[in-house]
Amino acid sequence: EAGVAQSPRYKIIEKRQSVAFWCNPISGHATLYWYQQILGQGPKLLIQFQNNGVVDDSQLPKDRFSAERLKGVDSTLKIQPAKLEDSAVYLCASSDWDGLTGELFFGEGSRLTVL
Amino acid sequence: KQEVTQIPAALSVPEGENLVLNCSFTDSAIYNLQWFRQDPGKGLTSLLLIQSSQREQTSGRLNASLDKSSGRSTLYIAASQPGDSATYLCAVSDTNAGKSTFGDGTTLTVKP
Repeated sequence: EAGVAQSPRYKIIEKRQSVAFWCNPISGHATLYWYQQILGQGPKLLIQFQNNGVVDDSQLPKDRFSAERLKGVDSTLKIQPAKLEDSAVYLCASSDWDGLTGELFFGEGSRLTVL
Repeated sequence: KQEVTQIPAALSVPEGENLVLNCSFTDSAIYNLQWFRQDPGKGLTSLLLIQSSQREQTSGRLNASLDKSSGRSTLYIAASQPGDSATYLCAVSDTNAGKSTFGDGTTLTVKP
């Protein structure tokens, strides 16, 4: 079974530029999450999707971050314009939360460096 | 708001030692608790998942326990090996929509 796929693995940009990250969840998983992990900290939830709909985006900085999940499968997270403090690893995860075990599966992450 | 704390932040032990990592959470209304391992520059690998109705789960040298009433979970690692060196994170998911809250992790170093 294929795992959660993310790209790109690494991205270096200047502040005020834009960047987009892509995630393809495990087949059949209705729930998709984007987390931000700053060095030395645990992951912090940015946004949670259930199929096409947003379940929780309370910690997403909506003035600069946006995310969408088209057709309930792939998702894209965009940052525009980027700030220095956005340097972090962006992790995508999926689960079968809707009625089953709810086990989280993570991708390898996308490491963003903002200069 | 759920808060998850992991103590200690770092732990160094000699090879072969048995050890316990701790995770505490403030809201006992959880759906499940999951332990992860994270190697430097990598994503999170699931180790053990405990449903809210369960008390413990075992996988090889790992055993995780859950005490909802006290808001605690422990991860027991038997006969530690240098390959166990990594950061261990626990995550608690809520009953409403499966939102998971993470601790900041315990970084384990096992010395040969």
